[in-house]
Amino acid sequence: SQKIEQNSEALNIQEGKTATLTCNYTNYSPAYLQWYRQDPGRGPVFLLLIRENEKEKRKERLKVTFDTTLKQSLFHITASQPADSATYLCALFPQGNTPLVFGKGTRLSVIA
Amino acid sequence: DGGITQSPKYLFRKEGQNVTLSCEQNLNHDAMYWYRQDPGQGLRLIYYSQIVNDFQKGDIAEGYSVSREKKESFPLTVTSAQKNPTAFYLCASSIARGLSSYNEQFFGPGTRLTVL
Repeated sequence: SQKIEQNSEALNIQEGKTATLTCNYTNYSPAYLQWYRQDPGRGPVFLLLIRENEKEKRKERLKVTFDTTLKQSLFHITASQPADSATYLCALFPQGNTPLVFGKGTRLSVIA
Repeated sequence: DGGITQSPKYLFRKEGQNVTLSCEQNLNHDAMYWYRQDPGQGLRLIYYSQIVNDFQKGDIAEGYSVSREKKESFPLTVTSAQKNPTAFYLCASSIARGLSSYNEQFFGPGTRLTVL
C-alpha cells in the first residue's frame, strides 16, 4: 500500500542546534515533494518545494534534500530558534492527475 | 488582501443537523480542496475541485457534500450521515495542477466544528 511516514510525532531540540526531520514514502514515484509548517489552530503554510531531479534546496536557514533511491526527504533547520516550534508536514504529488498527499507531520519543539 | 477565508472559525451543531462550512478565495486559483484534520491523523482529503462545476471525491468523502458554482467559492456540507463530524476542517486552493512549479497549496485559517 502507499504510505508517507514522518519519522516521529515529536522532536525536541536545544536552541541553536540543527533540527532534522525525515519523510519516507512507499509505493509512490513523486515528481515533487513539498514541506509545510503548521502552527496550532492554524492552516499549514508552504515552505519549500523540491523536484525529483534536485538533490537539495535551500531557503535561509532551511534545507531540504530529496533522495528518490532511498525514497526519502530530509528537512533541516539550522541554528534553530524557539520560534521554529511548530508541526512540519511533508507532502508529495503522486504520478498522474491526483492531488497532493500529506504525511501526518512532526511536531518540533525548540527549547531555549 | 489576497487569500482564503473560512467562516466561521468555531461552529457548534447538534447531532443530526447538516451544517455548511464556507470557503472563499480571491487568488484566482482554479483548484480548491477540503481537508479534515484530527489529532494524530494529519490532513485527509475530503473533496477537491479543479474547475467550476466539477469536483471529485477524496479519501474520506462519505457523509460530506460540496458544490463549485463559482470559481472563488467551494462550500462543504457536513451531513447527518457523517458518523464522527467533530474535527478541524481546512480549505485550500492552488493554481490548477500541471503548471510548472506553482503547485503549492494556500490554506485558510480553518473551521473547528464541534457536534454536541
